[in-house]
Amino acid sequence: GQSLEQPSEVTAVEGAIVQINCTYQTSGFYGLSWYQQHDGGAPTFLSYNALDGLEETGRFSSFLSRSDSYGYLLLQELQMKDSASYFCAVRDWGGKLIFGQGTELSVKP
Amino acid sequence: GAVVSQHPSRVICKSGTSVKIECRSLDFQATTMFWYRQFPKKSLMLMATSNEGSKATYEQGVEKDKFLINHASLTLSTLTVTSAHPEDSSFYICSGRDHPDNEQFFGPGTRLTVL
Repeated sequence: GQSLEQPSEVTAVEGAIVQINCTYQTSGFYGLSWYQQHDGGAPTFLSYNALDGLEETGRFSSFLSRSDSYGYLLLQELQMKDSASYFCAVRDWGGKLIFGQGTELSVKP
Repeated sequence: GAVVSQHPSRVICKSGTSVKIECRSLDFQATTMFWYRQFPKKSLMLMATSNEGSKATYEQGVEKDKFLINHASLTLSTLTVTSAHPEDSSFYICSGRDHPDNEQFFGPGTRLTVL
C-alpha cells in the first residue's frame, strides 16, 4: 500500500522555528512535495525535493533523505499568517500526487 | 505560478440532481488535469486523472458513472456529479499540469452541498 505519515497538529509561537516531518511508504517515488492550504482554500505549492538534501526558499526549507524515506519542512521566523495545514505529497512515477493526512500548524502570538 | 480557476466556488443542490464543476487553466495548457475530493480536516484524495482528448482514469473505489469527467480541451476539464446525494457533499479541487516533469497547480476548489 501507499502511506505517508505526518503529525496531525503542531503549535508554535511567532518568530519561532518549526519542523514538520513526513515519512512515506509508496510503491513508486519520484519526489516529495510540500503544500500549504488555508481553510477553504487551494493547496499552494511550497517546495519539491527529488534528490537528497536541503532546498531553501525564503523562510521555508525542505529536506529529503530517500534512503530513510523521510523528509521535513522547516518554517523559520514564524508569522501568524503561517497558520494553515501543511501536506507532504509523494509524486509517483506516473506523476500522480499521493498526499499525507496534513499537519495543522497553529501559530500563537 | 500558473493559475487554475474553478466554477462555481460553491453550489447547493437537491438530492437527485446533477452538478457540473468547471476547471480552467488560465495561463498554461494543461495536458493533464486531476480531480481531488477533500473532507473537512482531511487529506486530498485523488479521484481521477484526465489527459486532454482521452478518457479519464479513475482511482480505485471511485464510480466513473457517478463522477463524469471530460477534458475536451487543453484549458478546460469538467466534473459532473450525477444524481447527487448528501454523501457526495465535499470540497472538490482540480489541478493541472502542462508536462509530467512539472508541478501541478491547484484550483481554489468547489464546495458542494447536497440537501
